[in-house]
This record gives sequence, structure tokens and C-alpha cells, in this order.
Amino acid sequence: DAGITQSPRHKVTETGTPVTLRCHQTENHRYMYWYRQDPGHGLRLIHYSYGVKDTDKGEVSDGYSVSRSKTEDFLLTLESATSSQTSVYFCAITGDLPSVEQFFGPGTRLTVL
Amino acid sequence: AQSVTQLGSHVSVSEGALVLLRCNYSSSVPPYLFWYVQYPNQGLQLLLKYTSAATLVKGINGFEAEFKKSETSFHLTKPSAHMSDAAEYFCAVSDGSGGSNYKLTFGKGTLLTVNP
Repeated sequence: DAGITQSPRHKVTETGTPVTLRCHQTENHRYMYWYRQDPGHGLRLIHYSYGVKDTDKGEVSDGYSVSRSKTEDFLLTLESATSSQTSVYFCAITGDLPSVEQFFGPGTRLTVL
Repeated sequence: AQSVTQLGSHVSVSEGALVLLRCNYSSSVPPYLFWYVQYPNQGLQLLLKYTSAATLVKGINGFEAEFKKSETSFHLTKPSAHMSDAAEYFCAVSDGSGGSNYKLTFGKGTLLTVNP
């Protein structure tokens, strides 16, 4: 299994509070991704990173920011959490060719009250 | 832009029956295609992938998928369902290019139920 951990695994917070989720990898892979999973929507890309300090938006980036200060860590921040951000968040990683598949972390279940 | 359509959000089969989960894709370039499985309260696990080599791809747990360019399909099959196959399955497409940062586009998923 790819070495990917996510923390915390579960979090309950209140509307308006800041929240940071962490993804940590031990594979030294260049690419990292944050997704959210909601019933009926599959997985949707929030933000991704293609190197240290190199990040870009995905399809559902509003209300989220990311940072990657070192290869192994990719942080997702909700500046002011809203109830619509209640979801399960997955981190994924991939290397360069020939391996193009993404490997997923165990997920973080976030509830915003 | 790429897209994936999974026909049937819920498929129910009997144990021992054929499993067929449908996936159609749209891509302007030769695609890389993937099937992932998600068991309850877990992350996604790669079942198999198509990367422009053999069109019939074999994966883990007895699953296989066939890439059909003319039909833009990549359906997942297993000859005989087992209770342990009950899970949600996701089809995904990529252009396999570093220029796109190897991003995946996922279908909405198909929940497979296996009845005893």
C-alpha cells in the first residue's frame, strides 16, 4: 500500500471556524490531490499540487485553500467552514509516467454544524 | 474536457451471478481508464487500469474490463459475484499527460449489492 496518511480522520466543527486537514506521504511522489466525496457526486477535485509550492484549483475550489511547503505534506484549509463543506475528504498521490494511477489515503470525515 | 458516465447508480446481483458495471467515457485524446473500488468507510483502491496496451485488462479479485474505442466504453465484469464484492465502484478517465498533471475525472459511482 502507498504510504499516505490523513489527519485528523474525523472532525466535528462549527460554522465559521477555520479547519486544516493534513495529507502526508512517504512515497516522494510529485503530484498530490485533494478530493471531496458526496453522495451522488462521486469524487470531485478541490485542489492539486504538482510540486513544492506549486498548486492549482480543481473544479470545486471555492472556500478552500491549499499549501505545500515540502514534498511529503499537502494541507487543505477551510478558512471559514460552512455546512455545505460537510463531506468526506480524500487525499491522493501519483508519480510521473509510467505510473499514472492515483493512490488514495483513508479519508477524513468532516462535519460542520 | 473529459467526462465519465456510469450507467446505474445501484446494481444488485445474486451470489455466483455475472457482475457487469457499465462505464462510458468522453475524451478528445487517447484515454487512460481506471476502475477503483471503495469498501465502506475506506479509501479508494485501484482494481485495474487501461494505459493503451492490451484492450482486455485483468485486475485484482477476478475483475476484468475491456476497452472498446468504437463504443467509448470500459465496462467492468466478473464472471461470478462473491459476497465480498459488495462495495462502490468508480470509473475514472485521464489523458495520461504530465501536461494535465495526471488529473482524473470520476464517474458518480455504482453501488454493487450481492444477495445470498
